[in-house]
Amino acid sequence: DVQLVESGGGLVKPGESLRLSCAASGFTISSYTMNWVRQAPGKGLEWVSSITSSSSYIYYADSLKGRFTISRDNFKNSLFLQMNSLRAEDTAVYYCARSLRITNHFDYWGRGALVTVSS
Amino acid sequence: SYVVTQPPSVSVAPGETARITCGGNNIGSIRVHWYRQKPGQAPVLVVYDDYDRPSGIPERFSGSNSGNTATLTISRVEAGDEADYYCQVWDTSSDHWVFGTGTKVTVL
Repeated sequence: DVQLVESGGGLVKPGESLRLSCAASGFTISSYTMNWVRQAPGKGLEWVSSITSSSSYIYYADSLKGRFTISRDNFKNSLFLQMNSLRAEDTAVYYCARSLRITNHFDYWGRGALVTVSS
Repeated sequence: SYVVTQPPSVSVAPGETARITCGGNNIGSIRVHWYRQKPGQAPVLVVYDDYDRPSGIPERFSGSNSGNTATLTISRVEAGDEADYYCQVWDTSSDHWVFGTGTKVTVL
């Protein structure tokens, strides 16, 4: 079965950094584009970033202003999101999701990791 | 950037039909995907590429897309369909994914 499991969430202070991981099983991520989507408490879904299968193309939401970096390790079958200079408005559940190509739908999602930014 | 709009809420009686719209400029020219999200759970794909259904999604879920409006239709609504529904499109002008604002479906 396809599974995506996020980890690395937690409580951090404004200005601090955090690195999220997404471990995939049941498929090989090297054949897929991988994505991060977040959802602030009580709010809707917000796309964060996408990375193509060989990391040739990377896309970010404009709202991140260069603070986040997406990466992947196909050998470890894992996806990452390095988040720097965190702000209160980054508080959200962060989901990883896979898509066949960059413009394709997200067919599987993880259960999410909660990131709370608060002093 | 591309903007898509959804009604905040839709209410429907059991057994009736719910229609959830996703509006955008000439949205009929791009593919629309739909997700269902129940409280405390991750989103689940229910319709992709305007009208295709993933395996395991009942035929009661259907989609259409034309002009400035895409529509997710849920026929013979059941209590278990109560959830938030989001549309999603790829904005080719910015190379960004865009999610709709979400529609809460309430089964009366």
